[in-house]
Amino acid sequence: EAQVTQNPRYLITVTGKKLTVTCSQNMNHEYMSWYRQDPGLGLRQIYYSMNVEVTDKGDVPEGYKVSRKEKRNFPLILESPSPNQTSLYFCASSYRYEQFFGPGTRLTVL
Amino acid sequence: QKEVEQNSGPLSVPEGAIASLNCTYSDRGSQSFFWYRQYSGKSPELIMFIYSNGDKEDGRFTAQLNKASQYVSLLIRDSQPSDSATYLCAVIGGNQFYFGTGTSLTVIP
Repeated sequence: EAQVTQNPRYLITVTGKKLTVTCSQNMNHEYMSWYRQDPGLGLRQIYYSMNVEVTDKGDVPEGYKVSRKEKRNFPLILESPSPNQTSLYFCASSYRYEQFFGPGTRLTVL
Repeated sequence: QKEVEQNSGPLSVPEGAIASLNCTYSDRGSQSFFWYRQYSGKSPELIMFIYSNGDKEDGRFTAQLNKASQYVSLLIRDSQPSDSATYLCAVIGGNQFYFGTGTSLTVIP
């Protein structure tokens, strides 16, 4: 089954404790991206990647890191999470510009 | 800062009616436009995309694009209760996606 998977689906952590949210797709898509979704602010792109080893900042990259060492994986790293990073996070991969979203990761930073 | 504006709603229509969802965008250079549906607690799913001025139909859905007015709309004909969701408009500028905040649609049986 073609899909985008994210782990974990839910995470509660504390300020400053490094965490990684994994994202994997099995559709051989070149374009992958990360979003956060907040009430009243909609979906905002954090980072995107056009292909392996190519990443670019989206609208809200501060406090996040990404890497794209393999085509299928695009992890999101929060090196020192803060409460304002509490949000719902989506990973997506795209064939051309038709995006397929993962199920989401709900992150709470205390 | 590229902006995509949508009326947040909520928009309520009776079952069988036409639901009309609207979106405006600020970047005149935008070339590709997308409509996503997001059910509560779920991830967005693509329902329509449109690149050229005019109408594009897919089943009960019609996307309309007017680049001169920087306006894109989604019409849902014969609305069903299962269409109740939040509809997100998105545009692509360069290689980056910009989303509106979404319009909540409720179809009343």
